[in-house]
Amino acid sequence: NFMLTQPHSVSESPGKTVTISCTRSSGSIASNYVQWYQQRPGSAPTTVIYEDNQRPSGVPDRFSGSIDSSSNSASLTISGLKTEDEADYYCQSYDSSIVFGGGTKLTVL
Amino acid sequence: EVQLVESGGGLIQPGGSLRLSCAASGFTVSSNYMSWVRQAPGKGLEWVSVIYSGGSTYYADSVKGRFTISRDNSKNTLYLQMNSLRAEDTAVYYCARGVVAVDYWGQGTLVTVSS
Repeated sequence: NFMLTQPHSVSESPGKTVTISCTRSSGSIASNYVQWYQQRPGSAPTTVIYEDNQRPSGVPDRFSGSIDSSSNSASLTISGLKTEDEADYYCQSYDSSIVFGGGTKLTVL
Repeated sequence: EVQLVESGGGLIQPGGSLRLSCAASGFTVSSNYMSWVRQAPGKGLEWVSVIYSGGSTYYADSVKGRFTISRDNSKNTLYLQMNSLRAEDTAVYYCARGVVAVDYWGQGTLVTVSS
């Protein structure tokens, strides 16, 4: 099976833009959809992006997803950062099994 | 309104068994793919198991042969039977609607395996 590698942590100031990467170790990132989940401290995860770049209803358009075949990676971009965006973010994809990335802690300071 | 409410977690000795329940409302469990995902303390998310609407079931290698996912259509409830529990099974267990793209998550139930 493959792995999804994320940076352990990122930080940025309110109002700025941050991008979190998710690199697939083997197989093409474009072969299977990528999802992104937000998990605030002490809470269950919620979906912020599904099928590479689709936003569930209720998720602000400040959140966007993309994939880059050249780097075999997916990215979650959050613009106009707010303190409430501070959370752990997990990417997820699949082939014969469901795989989660290790998570990225976003600090907004 | 869609809701998923897990129960059944607790402290259990290594080698013991536990059954988790996930009561669903606002939709029909049997018409959806339903999953269990766990999170060890301070760690990331780990997919555990899925049951498809047709009844097929799949498991992570780490729990295969020890855990069984099932559902009770009359109660609109998802279950996870966990046998031969190990310390490394200690985690918050979430039930979720969907498998590849989860759209609803429960609040989780904590399972602690310790003597």
